[in-house]
Amino acid sequence: DTGVSQNPRHKITKRGQNVTFRCDPISEHNRLYWYRQTLGQGPEFLTYFQNEAQLEKSRLLSDRFSAERPKGSFSTLEIQRTEQGDSAMYLCASSLASTVAGELFFGEGSRLTVL
Amino acid sequence: RKEVEQDPGPFNVPEGATVAFNCTYSNSASQSFFWYRQDCRKEPKLLMSVYSSGNEDGRFTAQLNRASQYISLLIRDSKLSDSATYLCVVTYSGNTPLVFGKGTRLSVIA
Repeated sequence: DTGVSQNPRHKITKRGQNVTFRCDPISEHNRLYWYRQTLGQGPEFLTYFQNEAQLEKSRLLSDRFSAERPKGSFSTLEIQRTEQGDSAMYLCASSLASTVAGELFFGEGSRLTVL
Repeated sequence: RKEVEQDPGPFNVPEGATVAFNCTYSNSASQSFFWYRQDCRKEPKLLMSVYSSGNEDGRFTAQLNRASQYISLLIRDSKLSDSATYLCVVTYSGNTPLVFGKGTRLSVIA
């Protein structure tokens, strides 16, 4: 399977704990995006990378959220001191910067439940 | 006002019906427009781009009205497999991230 891979698929945690999600994009894709989706809503943009550079991070929901893509390949999204309002599906997507701007390839998502 | 607004539905239509969804966007600087499809508990996937002249892909027709800042999607001869949420998407340039609407849910009934 050469699509976008996300791990873990499901995470249940207690309030106050830290969680980290990993995304492995399609191998030749240089752009990687993180979105969050809650029930009944469309995906909400969080941040994105071109190679290892984080080009936009002002939409990260708070300073408890951070993302890295250290070698321009996989990326991690960390949420510190989780709150119940962080419960959502976290979607990763990748694309080639040179292709049609609108074609993102999404992973199946990591579902977070904060108790 | 939200950047991209859609009627959440649900739209319940019989097989074979024609159904249309509209979407409005608030930023007149928006440059590119798309429709994505999201099946229940699945990830979004690109359905089609929306061009200024309008475009068609089989039973699906997308249109853009820049003056009124809305986008439409028309589905003819609805199939059961068309049941999904249809997400309206805009972007301001090739270097800005996609902005998604909350989606319109379609259920096609036998």
